[in-house]
This record gives sequence, structure tokens and C-alpha cells, in this order.
Amino acid sequence: GENVEQHPSTLSVQEGDSAVIKCTYSDSASNYFPWYKQELGKRPQLIIDIRSNVGEKKDQRIAVTLNKTAKHFSLHITETQPEDSAVYFCAAVKTYKYIFGTGTRLKVLA
Amino acid sequence: KAGVTQTPRYLIKTRGQQVTLSCSPISGHRSVSWYQQTPGQGLQFLFEYFSETQRNKGNFPGRFSGRQFSNSRSEMNVSTLELGDSALYLCASSLGQGFGDEQYFGPGTRLTVT
Repeated sequence: GENVEQHPSTLSVQEGDSAVIKCTYSDSASNYFPWYKQELGKRPQLIIDIRSNVGEKKDQRIAVTLNKTAKHFSLHITETQPEDSAVYFCAAVKTYKYIFGTGTRLKVLA
Repeated sequence: KAGVTQTPRYLIKTRGQQVTLSCSPISGHRSVSWYQQTPGQGLQFLFEYFSETQRNKGNFPGRFSGRQFSNSRSEMNVSTLELGDSALYLCASSLGQGFGDEQYFGPGTRLTVT
């Protein structure tokens, strides 16, 4: 069935370092890949997304890469700051059906 | 523009009872999706409604059902509650008509089944 694997489940980095979160999806018909950030006690919020016809997208300190052949996409956060600490979810979307990864808890240590 | 709202925010029910949760989308949004969030399973897709029709469905038992009204407000119902149904239930709305519409999440309803 449809599945998205997300790794790692937890990630601790020093402030200023980079963080990388990886996701692999199973349904090759997925064509939209958003990333959400969820702070403790808050709702998930979209931070960046990428469509299947694009290989890479960048927005300031965050970037996402997509490898359709490998069915793999990644989130890159550079120059991490304490406010980046949160749970990050990837999702693979096909015709409005969102399949989420199980989340990565990122801790940025000051 | 007002965000997605959900009512109630917290709910405590007893095993075997049923529950109805409500979601009001952002004005102009016609798609509403529902998710179950638990610590171990992350966000699991329940179903998606667009213009009062269920357009997508996840892999949940028939005890979980939903509907959408003409004003795009949506309700989710869970019958014969089980302890494992305890979770945060999130809804999200979007325009629902384009490739990669952004979904906006509501604050969630935390359901506890005892």
C-alpha cells in the first residue's frame, strides 16, 4: 500500500549546523511533496513544498530535493537556530490524498 | 481571513460511545481532509471531502465516517469508540482544485477514550 518512510525519527544538532531529514515514498504516482513543521502544542504548518516536475527548491535557510527515480526526497536546513526545534513531517500526495511520514523530532542545541 | 477552526477542542468519552467532531474551513476552501495524530503513528489520513463528496479515503475501519455540508463545513463521526481511538484529530482545508494546493490545519480536537 501507500507508504512514506521518514528518517531519522530524532535528530540533535548544534546551533549553526545543518540538518537533513530524508523521506522515501512508495507510490510513483505521487506528484506533490510538502514539508510541515509542528511546534509543541501547535498545528502543523507548511514550510516548503516541491512538485514532481522540479528537482530542487530553496527558500532562505531551507531547501528540498526530489529524486523521482529513487522515490526519495529530503529536507535541508542550514544554519540551524533554536527556533527550528520542532517535529517535521514529510508527505507524498497523489490526487489530494496525503500520506505522511512518521515525523522527525529536531532539537537544536544552543 | 479566519483560519480553520475545530470544535470541540477537547473531549472525553467512554468506550462504546460515539462522537462527532466539527471542522470549519477557511472561507472559499472547498476541500476538507481529516487526520488522526498519535505519538507513534504520526499523521494518518482518514478521508477528504470536496463539494460534499468523499473524494479520498484512508485505511480506517467503517466506524470512522464523515460528511461535508454545502457551506464546506465538515463533520467526522466515530462510532463504538475504542481505547485506541484516543488521539488528536486534525482537519485541514484547501482550495482543492489545483495541483499542490496548500493545506491549512486546524488546531485539532483531542479525544480521550476511557
